[in-house]
Amino acid sequence: EAEVAQSPRYKITEKSQAVAFWCDPISGHATLYWYRQILGQGPELLVQFQDESVVDDSQLPKDRFSAERLKGVDSTLKIQPAELGDSAMYLCASSLRQGHEQYFGPGTRLTVT
Amino acid sequence: GQSLEQPSEVTAVEGAIVQINCTYQTSGFYGLSWYQQHDGGAPTFLSYNALDGLEETGRFSSFLSRSDSYGYLLLQELQMKDSASYFCAVRDNGAGGFKTIFGAGTRLFVKA
Repeated sequence: EAEVAQSPRYKITEKSQAVAFWCDPISGHATLYWYRQILGQGPELLVQFQDESVVDDSQLPKDRFSAERLKGVDSTLKIQPAELGDSAMYLCASSLRQGHEQYFGPGTRLTVT
Repeated sequence: GQSLEQPSEVTAVEGAIVQINCTYQTSGFYGLSWYQQHDGGAPTFLSYNALDGLEETGRFSSFLSRSDSYGYLLLQELQMKDSASYFCAVRDNGAGGFKTIFGAGTRLFVKA
C-alpha cells in the first residue's frame, strides 16, 4: 500500500539553528500539505502545494519558514532560525488533485532546546 | 472567520455507542471530514460528507446538516482500540482554492 514518507522521524535542535524536513507524497498525488500539530491540538495548515505551486501559505511564518516542491513531487520544509515555540509535530499529507481524502505521513517530531 | 467546535473529551464503555459532535463556521463550506489519530500516530481518514445526511462505513457513521452547520461522528460497538483523538475538518472552497481546517479534536476514552 502506498504511503507518504517523511524524514527524519525525530529531530532535536538548539534554538537559532536551521532544520529541514523532507516529505515524499504518494505517487500521483498532485496536492501536498505541510501541517504543524501541537500536542493536544488539531493539525494547522502551514503550506499547501498544487504540483510545484504554492496555493496557500497564509499561516506560514515566512520570516523563518520556507517550503519548496521544485519538481512537483517531494517537498522540503525548512526553519531558520528555530525557536523554542517551534517544538511540535510536523505532518506532511498528500491527496489527489481536488481530492478531499488526505493521506498523512508519520510526521517529524521536532524538539527545540 | 473560520471556526470549528467539538468536545475536548468523551468517555464511553466498550460495546456502547458514542456520538462526537462538531459545529463549524466558515464562508466557503464544501464538506466535512473526520479523521482518527492514535497517540503518537498520524491522522487517518474516516469519512467525508458533502451533502446532508448519514454516511455509513462499518461501525462508523457520519452525519451532516449544512443548514445547521453541524455534523457528528457515530461510533458503534465500541472497542478498546477506538480510544484515540477524533478530528472534524472543514473543506473550505475560498479564493485560493480548497483548504482544510481541522478542529482541536475530541479525545475518546473507551473503558472496559
